[in-house]
Amino acid sequence: SQKIEQNSEALNIQEGKTATLTCNYTNYSPAYLQWYRQDPGRGPVFLLLIRENEKEKRKERLKVTFDTTLKQSLFHITASQPADSATYLCAPVSGSARQLTFGSGTQLTVLP
Amino acid sequence: NAGVTQTPKFQVLKTGQSMTLQCAQDMNHNSMYWYRQDPGMGLRLIYYSASEGTTDKGEVPNGYNVSRLNKREFSLRLESAAPSQTSVYFCASSEEVAGVDEQFFGPGTRLTVL
Repeated sequence: SQKIEQNSEALNIQEGKTATLTCNYTNYSPAYLQWYRQDPGRGPVFLLLIRENEKEKRKERLKVTFDTTLKQSLFHITASQPADSATYLCAPVSGSARQLTFGSGTQLTVLP
Repeated sequence: NAGVTQTPKFQVLKTGQSMTLQCAQDMNHNSMYWYRQDPGMGLRLIYYSASEGTTDKGEVPNGYNVSRLNKREFSLRLESAAPSQTSVYFCASSEEVAGVDEQFFGPGTRLTVL
């Protein structure tokens, strides 16, 4: 069955450092992968999308990579700030369906 | 432009009671979705509607029914609530652009079934 695994533990980093979050998937051939941010008590908010033919995508301090051989996406936040503290969800999307399947998320805390 | 709105924000039910969760979007999106989110489980799709007049089951449809009332509104009904349905429910909408569906989520409904 399809499986999505994100960093199982919460991630704490110091302000100014780069945070790296991992999304691994099995039994999938996603056409693209989306990343969302979720703050406590709120719905997820879309951040970035990367397609299978793209190795890397950037948006301001965010960078996403997509390795279809390793079946992995990495999500980087450079120069992290306490305001970046949230749960980050990945969602690979197969070419055969527009439905999103979400990972359970990684809770990131940026310490001042 | 309110985006996706959900009512109620909180609800407590007793086992066996019924209720309907309401969702509306003002972005003229064709697709709408209902998810539930449980600790450690991530978001799981209950039902979705690709367009007005159509609905399809997602990963966890048992115990739920949906109605796509019109293009704006998509409701989720629990006919006989069970404690296992205690969860946070999110509605979302999307419109496919260049082969991509970015989903917009509502604020959620926190449901407790006693």
